[in-house]
Amino acid sequence: GAVVSQHPSRVICKSGTSVKIECRSLDFQATTMFWYRQFPKQSLMLMATSNEGSKATYEQGVEKDKFLINHASLTLSTLTVTSAHPEDSSFYICSAQGGYEQYFGPGTRLTVT
Amino acid sequence: ELKVEQNPLFLSMQEGKNYTIYCNYSTTSDRLYWYRQDPGKSLESLFVLLSNGAVKQEGRLMASLDTKARLSTLHITAAVHDLSATYFCAVDPDHAGNMLTFGGGTRLMVKP
Repeated sequence: GAVVSQHPSRVICKSGTSVKIECRSLDFQATTMFWYRQFPKQSLMLMATSNEGSKATYEQGVEKDKFLINHASLTLSTLTVTSAHPEDSSFYICSAQGGYEQYFGPGTRLTVT
Repeated sequence: ELKVEQNPLFLSMQEGKNYTIYCNYSTTSDRLYWYRQDPGKSLESLFVLLSNGAVKQEGRLMASLDTKARLSTLHITAAVHDLSATYFCAVDPDHAGNMLTFGGGTRLMVKP
């Protein structure tokens, strides 16, 4: 149990375009999901906390207008990277809260050319 | 601001040897998590430590938590090549599974 999926697993886009990443909890409901970003050889950095039915809470330094988060249901949160630039290239990982644990998705590797 | 520090950041060891990875954190918490990450992959949950003195073991890995010292350890016994990965600890200061703060990670290489 406690499976979290992400789609797509890998995406390449051109600078200036937008990319949407989906995070789904497959076998449980998650009122809270989290979005992390990981640059090569670095740790995970929390970007935002996504709460179903309300606005996401962004960490300091994360632009909410650039990284749009929508938690439309108890099993789906989406992250849209708007007007992507090469410096947005990273590994994006979501997690869904289940009880006292966070269950992590497989990640999405974004490359902006 | 919660700080979580792991050491060492990089560890190269021979198969069959023992070693310990340390995770120190700066605020009170009695929930600590250990994860494994293989290159290009997401996180795999290894251990969830929920109280002072908690000790958990799985195969060649054993994790412990000392909340008074704000320290967790991940001990590797008789390392094998398959354990090569990056290991992260993460602390939840709010006791609700929210807002995990991750350590910097320990990249482990086990040489045959």
